[in-house]
Amino acid sequence: NAGVMQNPRHLVRRRGQEARLRCSPMKGHSHVYWYRQLPEEGLKFMVYLQKENIIDESGMPKERFSAEFPKEGPSILRIQQVVRGDSAAYFCASSPPANGGDTQYFGPGTRLTVL
Amino acid sequence: GESVGLHLPTLSVQEGDNSIINCAYSNSASDYFIWYKQESGKGPQFIIDIRSNMDKRQGQRVTVLLNKTVKHLSLQIAATQPGDSAVYFCAENTAGSASKIIFGSGTRLSIRP
Repeated sequence: NAGVMQNPRHLVRRRGQEARLRCSPMKGHSHVYWYRQLPEEGLKFMVYLQKENIIDESGMPKERFSAEFPKEGPSILRIQQVVRGDSAAYFCASSPPANGGDTQYFGPGTRLTVL
Repeated sequence: GESVGLHLPTLSVQEGDNSIINCAYSNSASDYFIWYKQESGKGPQFIIDIRSNMDKRQGQRVTVLLNKTVKHLSLQIAATQPGDSAVYFCAENTAGSASKIIFGSGTRLSIRP
């Protein structure tokens, strides 16, 4: 049973470009969460999604950031017009519906570097 | 300019000794707590969890203690091994809420040979 998968593992963008991060949850999981981590810090919640629905986006910056979890395919975190402050590790987690989202299992992360 | 994050507190332990990592949580309404281990360059790995109706839970070589009175959580690792070197995060959530996890600031565990 494959774990949470994220790609790319490393992404380099120049200021002003778009970054697109993908997350495939564990098989059978319908809840997806995105977190951001700066060096030497804990993970900070960004957004929680279920299929075709954004449930909680209280941690998402108001501008330039968006997320989706379509009926088919991976969840996507999109960052438009990236700035250097967006450089961080972005982690996706998933949990099964029966679990109510208590235990979240994390992917390996995407490390975004903005030049 | 480049931002500088806070240095993580570090716990240095002799190989074979027991490790105790402490955490204070913030939300009195939290009733579900998790410990994660994060190795360099990897995502957080679930270690053990505990619900607020318990004060102790044991796993393989790990024990979590919960003191709701003072909002304190600890992780004990028995017979610490080199592979235990990592950053350990406590995290809190509300059981069954299917909501965000709130992470603590983390502790770096370093093993001396």
